[in-house]
Amino acid sequence: EAGVTQSPTHLIKTRGQQATLRCSPISGHTSVYWYQQALGLGLQFLLWYDEGEERNRGNFPPRFSGRQFPNYSSELNVNALELEDSALYLCASSPGPFNEQFFGPGTRLTVL
Amino acid sequence: AQSVTQLDSQVPVFEEAPVELRCNYSSSVSVYLFWYVQYPNQGLQLLLKYLSGSTLVKGINGFEAEFNKSQTSFHLRKPSVHISDTAEYFCAVRAGGGNKLTFGTGTQLKVEL
Repeated sequence: EAGVTQSPTHLIKTRGQQATLRCSPISGHTSVYWYQQALGLGLQFLLWYDEGEERNRGNFPPRFSGRQFPNYSSELNVNALELEDSALYLCASSPGPFNEQFFGPGTRLTVL
Repeated sequence: AQSVTQLDSQVPVFEEAPVELRCNYSSSVSVYLFWYVQYPNQGLQLLLKYLSGSTLVKGINGFEAEFNKSQTSFHLRKPSVHISDTAEYFCAVRAGGGNKLTFGTGTQLKVEL
């Protein structure tokens, strides 16, 4: 069984640009979660999608947004990039909202 | 809201020695507790979890943790570490009935020969 996959592995952008990160959950999983792992700040919850809807979001500005597609894959968009957005972005999926979360390898976003 | 404290940012230990990584949490509701491991340049892998039942939980790679409700702790232990255990370890909490994981800041375990 394939695990959670994320693309790209690395992404380099400049300030003010937009970044799009992608996540494919484990087959059969309907919930997708996004976390940001920034240096010195640890892992912070960003967004939760389930059945195509945004169900919850963490304490992040609106320029962090995303969506979940009918096949349950998900996209995270970060607009107007700032230097402090440089981080490892982890995606996780679960069979349902209250089940164990399985993590992908992450996308490392570098903002120059 | 929940919070997790991992007081030790780094723990150096010699190979075959025992290790304990500390985790304390705070929550006004019942919680589920997790330990994850992150190897360099990789995502998170679940080591073990406490949902209910026995307070001593055994996980993968010889790790175990004990849930102590009175001390609001969930310390991770291994009786004899190996070089391959060198990684970052994260304690996380999830409120009962919720699904958002709240993580501690992580503990870097460095196993030396």
